[in-house]
Amino acid sequence: GEDVEQSLFLSVREGDSSVINCTYTDSSSTYLYWYKQEPGAGLQLLTYIFSNMDMKQDQRLTVLLNKKDKHLSLRIADTQTGDSAIYFCAGHNYGQNFVFGPGTRLSVLP
Amino acid sequence: NAGVTQTPKFQVLKTGQSMTLQCAQDMNHNSMYWYRQDPGMGLRLIYYSASEGTTDKGEVPNGYNVSRLNKREFSLRLESAAPSQTSVYFCASSEVETNDSPLHFGNGTRLTVT
Repeated sequence: GEDVEQSLFLSVREGDSSVINCTYTDSSSTYLYWYKQEPGAGLQLLTYIFSNMDMKQDQRLTVLLNKKDKHLSLRIADTQTGDSAIYFCAGHNYGQNFVFGPGTRLSVLP
Repeated sequence: NAGVTQTPKFQVLKTGQSMTLQCAQDMNHNSMYWYRQDPGMGLRLIYYSASEGTTDKGEVPNGYNVSRLNKREFSLRLESAAPSQTSVYFCASSEVETNDSPLHFGNGTRLTVT
């Protein structure tokens, strides 16, 4: 089955860019998602990318997909303290269940 | 439009006690899911229901049962709680089993088994 890996922690200064990385083993995932989890809350969908795309931009968020290397990244521009949370990447293919990474805890320092 | 609603928010059980976690969604979604979240392990699927009237085991079903009561409601039951079931439980729903249907999550139930 699919395995999804992420680094567990990332610290950045307020105003800098954050880049959260994810690698996955199964190239058949047709959609790849980024979710955000704030303390005490559920997972909130941030953005997603179809596997035939290389990049998707949505305001401060940029998703890059390198299918050859099975690497997905989420860049947050001008990171704010409100961006402090755990970020999960997940893959999904029709007829199969979602597979989540372990999550990256982003800490934004003032 | 409340989305996915889970009750209770917190629960403490003694080993061997039973309880049912409730989940309801108001988005008319076909599929519903139960996950557990443990530190450093991401989310692991316990059970899911692709449509009303069907349920299937996920990655970690042992010690749990589910009921898809109707299209809106999907409950998770622990018959005899064990300390290993201390976790945060999330219910989720999605529209249909197609690629572009993201999961929508509830806010979770934090369960401690002593």
